[in-house]
Amino acid sequence: GENVEQHPSTLSVQEGDSAVIKCTYSDSASNYFPWYKQELGKRPQLIIDIRSNVGEKKDQRIAVTLNKTAKHFSLHITETQPEDSAVYFCAAFTGANSKLTFGKGITLSVRP
Amino acid sequence: DAGITQSPRYKITETGRQVTLMCHQTWSHSYMFWYRQDLGHGLRLIYYSAAADITDKGEVPDGYVVSRSKTENFPLTLESATRSQTSVYFCASSEQSSGNTIYFGEGSWLTVV
Repeated sequence: GENVEQHPSTLSVQEGDSAVIKCTYSDSASNYFPWYKQELGKRPQLIIDIRSNVGEKKDQRIAVTLNKTAKHFSLHITETQPEDSAVYFCAAFTGANSKLTFGKGITLSVRP
Repeated sequence: DAGITQSPRYKITETGRQVTLMCHQTWSHSYMFWYRQDLGHGLRLIYYSAAADITDKGEVPDGYVVSRSKTENFPLTLESATRSQTSVYFCASSEQSSGNTIYFGEGSWLTVV
């Protein structure tokens, strides 16, 4: 089955700096890659997603890039703010088994 | 977000007891999911359902039972709770399988003592 890995497991940046979170996946048939943000004690919520026919997608301060050849995708957050501090999960969806497989999550801390 | 609700939100139970976590969605989404979240493991799929009366195992199904007699409900039962099942459980739903957004419930914090 699909295996999604996130690196690093924790990331600390200074407010205003950029943060990049990387994920790799194993199943070349995966075709949908969402990113979820989970604040402490809250539910995961979708912040951005990308499909396999697109290389990059942006939404204000966040962007996601996809490299299908290398089977990795990344979340880019620019001008980080303290409210960006959270756990971020990447995931990969394989239509063959209708399953969304999540990475283990990365804790992003933005230092004021 | 209020379209998918879980109950109870917090539960403490004893080892060996049966526990049922309820999940209800008002969107008429076809797909529903149960995940558990544990430190160091992220979100792991327990069971999922593509439609009423159709369920399938996820990554960690052992010790759990699900049913889906109605589209809007997807209860998760721990038949004989164990301490290793102490976790945060998230129910989720999705409109269809082809890579649509999954919406999560608020979570159920379960402690087995």
